[in-house]
Amino acid sequence: SAVISQKPSRDICQRGTSLTIQCQVDSQVTMMFWYRQQPGQSLTLIATANQGSEATYESGFVIDKFPISRPNLTFSTLTVSNMSPEDSSIYLCSVGGLGYNTEAFFGQGTRLTVV
Amino acid sequence: DAKTTQPPSMDCAEGRAANLPCNHSTISGNEYVYWYRQIHSQGPQYIIHGLKNNETNEMASLIITEDRKSSTLILPHATLRDTAVYYCIVRVASAGGTSYGKLTFGQGTILTVHP
Repeated sequence: SAVISQKPSRDICQRGTSLTIQCQVDSQVTMMFWYRQQPGQSLTLIATANQGSEATYESGFVIDKFPISRPNLTFSTLTVSNMSPEDSSIYLCSVGGLGYNTEAFFGQGTRLTVV
Repeated sequence: DAKTTQPPSMDCAEGRAANLPCNHSTISGNEYVYWYRQIHSQGPQYIIHGLKNNETNEMASLIITEDRKSSTLILPHATLRDTAVYYCIVRVASAGGTSYGKLTFGQGTILTVHP
């Protein structure tokens, strides 16, 4: 199993500002994943963060809005830029599930409220 | 990945078995069925997964029909702490490619366990 720590656990931010969310894993992993969960909704994958290369973004998500860093095999950050109230969501980091017979592990999430 | 269909909500009495169905009629031969749950304000938690045989672990049992077009997650003795959203996910089995490690979440089933 993997233990994932996310910081901050929650934040209230002013519109127009940016927030950087950190994700720390207790073991080295090749890929890390960032998800968004809007209020009352399911999880949607934002991007896949690979160490040593650019993140791969899903349709509807762009690097200018959600820049991602992956400096090493145990750490990643997701920045929510130029925030608006529509960005109010829970943002979750995930690792694992890489093989066909393995499970994924999730952090506890960062609850973001934009006012 | 194949699409899944789950009932939006279910109720269960504490101590009784909770049987959560999932339809995945377009599942491919190399796709696994995974179950996760998300307790309020927490990250998703892995429960169980299987390919074609029934599986059991300390949390639950997974029954997959012979044609693999549907499955049932069984919580044998539901407790109040099992109240959560349960997600059935069908996932590509082979490693590599753009879907490597990604999970596609549907809306899930809200299970409410009552006293």
